[in-house]
Amino acid sequence: DGGITQSPKYLFRKEGQNVTLSCEQNLNHDAMYWYRQDPGQGLRLIYYSQIVNDFQKGDIAEGYSVSREKKESFPLTVTSAQKNPTAFYLCASSIPGGPGADQPQHFGDGTRLSIL
Amino acid sequence: QKEVEQNSGPLSVPEGAIASLNCTYSDRGSQSFFWYRQYSGKSPELIMSIYSNGDKEDGRFTAQLNKASQYVSLLIRDSQPSDSATYHCAVKRGGNNRLAFGKGNQVVVIP
Repeated sequence: DGGITQSPKYLFRKEGQNVTLSCEQNLNHDAMYWYRQDPGQGLRLIYYSQIVNDFQKGDIAEGYSVSREKKESFPLTVTSAQKNPTAFYLCASSIPGGPGADQPQHFGDGTRLSIL
Repeated sequence: QKEVEQNSGPLSVPEGAIASLNCTYSDRGSQSFFWYRQYSGKSPELIMSIYSNGDKEDGRFTAQLNKASQYVSLLIRDSQPSDSATYHCAVKRGGNNRLAFGKGNQVVVIP
C-alpha cells in the first residue's frame, strides 16, 4: 500500500544527544514536510523540501536539521540545540503545488519524542 | 494577527445535531483551504478541501468559503460519536504548497 512511514513511534532523548526521526514515502511525491505539534496547539512547520537535494526552513527550524538525498526519504535530526524537543512530530508529503495548484498534504502516523 | 485563527474551546454537540466550526485567515491572497480531522493520539487526515467561494458538500460534511470575508467553515451534519476529534483548518501559503494551520477545534459528540 502507498503511504508515509514514520519511525520510531516513540523516541527518548538524553540531554545533549542528537536523535534522528525517519520519514519514508512510496507515494512518488516530490514534496515533503516536517511539523511539530505541542499539546493543544496547531501544527508548526519545521522544514520542507520541494525536490531532492533541496530544502527550506519553516517557521521553527532552530535546533533541527534535515537532508533530502532521496525522493522517498526526508529524515529529521533533533539536535542538542533544541532545548524543548518534547512534542509529536509529523511528516507529510504532497505533489508540489504552484500558484493555483491544489495538492493536499498527507501525513504519516507521527513520532512522539520525549526527554529522559 | 495570526495567519489562521479558529474559535477557541471545545465544542460539545448532541448526537444527531449540526456541529459548526469556523476559521478566519489573514492572507487575502490565499486560494486553497483544507480541513483535517485528528483523533486523539493519531495523525491528521484530510476530510475536505475547498478552493472556490460557496459551499462544497461531501457526505455529512460541508465546507463553506467566503474569500471577501476571509472566512472558511466546516459543518458536520447528523453528528456521530465517531466525529469526536480535533478539527484543524489549514490555509495554503504563498506560491508553493506550504500550509498554515490553526490551533484546532475539539469536537465532542454526546450520545
